[in-house]
Amino acid sequence: AQSVTQLGSHVSVSEGALVLLRCNYSSSVPPYLFWYVQYPNQGLQLLLKYTTGATLVKGINGFEAEFKKSETSFHLTKPSAHMSDAAEYFCAVSDSSYKLIFGSGTRLLVRP
Amino acid sequence: GAVVSQHPSRVICKSGTSVKIECRSLDFQATTMFWYRQFPKKSLMLMATSNEGSKATYEQGVEKDKFLINHASLTLSTLTVTSAHPEDSSFYICSARVGRESPLHFGNGTRLTVT
Repeated sequence: AQSVTQLGSHVSVSEGALVLLRCNYSSSVPPYLFWYVQYPNQGLQLLLKYTTGATLVKGINGFEAEFKKSETSFHLTKPSAHMSDAAEYFCAVSDSSYKLIFGSGTRLLVRP
Repeated sequence: GAVVSQHPSRVICKSGTSVKIECRSLDFQATTMFWYRQFPKKSLMLMATSNEGSKATYEQGVEKDKFLINHASLTLSTLTVTSAHPEDSSFYICSARVGRESPLHFGNGTRLTVT
């Protein structure tokens, strides 16, 4: 079985500050890990994914995440927040079938 | 890039009626489509997995007779909410992939309101 825990339903940062969104997973098989962003009343857009290989993955819009097996974590970071980054972010885990199990989401608020 | 189109984006229906939501892959053939439901301020809950030409596989707790899924072609899957009730009001999102180990592409969702 697989599951995802996202710590913090809301994260608030100032524009230009570091963004850190936390994600921990549980998986009995080698996990595939994803971060998605959702804007209001829209579907999901893939930010980045980890399947195999390099544990530090870079995505779109300046985001990156690091797979840490020892910590069962896949935290999402961005060095400098923009107002346009304000959205809901979902971490997800799957096996090779890409049947995604989502975390509960973290709403990122960016203060001017 | 791969585009998944979902229609309608919003629908309001009366209690007891049925509503059909379409999910189309516009520039690729989707062997598998997934249907998710998202409650307000909540995460996405996988409802069912739809494979072209075969019956959908429903997740535990999802009523297959209420949420009818049809995947008649490689580019179209439909979700029909039958005898809708206000508690069925939600945001429904579909996603599609080409092959077993291909990433998912999501539609923009359908906001269903049952009055």
